[in-house]
Amino acid sequence: GDSVTQMEGPVTLSEEAFLTINCTYTATGYPSLFWYVQYPGEGLQLLLKATKADDKGSNKGFEATYRKETTSFHLEKGSVQVSDSAVYFCALSRNQAGTALIFGKGTTLSVSS
Amino acid sequence: GAVVSQHPSRVICKSGTSVKIECRSLDFQATTMFWYRQFPKKSLMLMATSNEGSKATYEQGVEKDKFLINHASLTLSTLTVTSAHPEDSSFYICSAPREAGTEQFFGPGTRLTVL
Repeated sequence: GDSVTQMEGPVTLSEEAFLTINCTYTATGYPSLFWYVQYPGEGLQLLLKATKADDKGSNKGFEATYRKETTSFHLEKGSVQVSDSAVYFCALSRNQAGTALIFGKGTTLSVSS
Repeated sequence: GAVVSQHPSRVICKSGTSVKIECRSLDFQATTMFWYRQFPKKSLMLMATSNEGSKATYEQGVEKDKFLINHASLTLSTLTVTSAHPEDSSFYICSAPREAGTEQFFGPGTRLTVL
C-alpha cells in the first residue's frame, strides 16, 4: 500500500545552518505531497504542498520539490532559526474523496542559538 | 485558510467515565472528517473516517464501540471515548478537507488525560 518514509530524528542544528529532511513515498497513481509542521503544544499546520511532478512548494523559507523519478519530496531551508524548532511531517494524499492523508513518522528539529 | 476547531482543548477525567470531543469546520462544509490519535513523539495514527449522514469507517484495531463517532451535520463531528481508561490518554486530532481529496485542515487537538 501507499506509504511515506522520512528520516528519523531528532535533528539538531545551530541557528543559520542548512536544513534537509528527507522524505520518500510509495504510491500508485499521482498523489499530492505535503509537509506539515507541529509546534510544541499545537496542532498540525500545512507548511507547503505540491500537487504534481516537478512542482516546488515553498513557504517561510522552506522548499520541497516533487520528484517523481526518485519518489521524493525532501524539505530544505537555507538558514534555520530557533523558531523553526518543531516536528515536521511529510504526507501524501491519494486525491480520492474520503481518503485520509498518509503520514510519515515525523522528524523533530531542534535549533539552538 | 480554512479553520477547524476542536473542543475541549484539554480534558482530565476519571477512569470509567466518557468524554466527548467536538470537531467543527468553521468556514466550510465537510462531508468527511478524520480522527487521528497521536502518541508522544509518534506520528499520527488514523483512527476513523467520519462520514456525514452515515456510519464511520474505523481503521483496523480501533474499537468502534469504545470510540463512538457521530457526524450529524456538515460542520460537526464528535468523538466519544466511552469508559475511558488511562491507556486512552493521548492527543486526539481531527481534520477535514475543504474539497474532496485535497489538503486537509487540522484542528488544534484535544489532550485527554485519564486518571
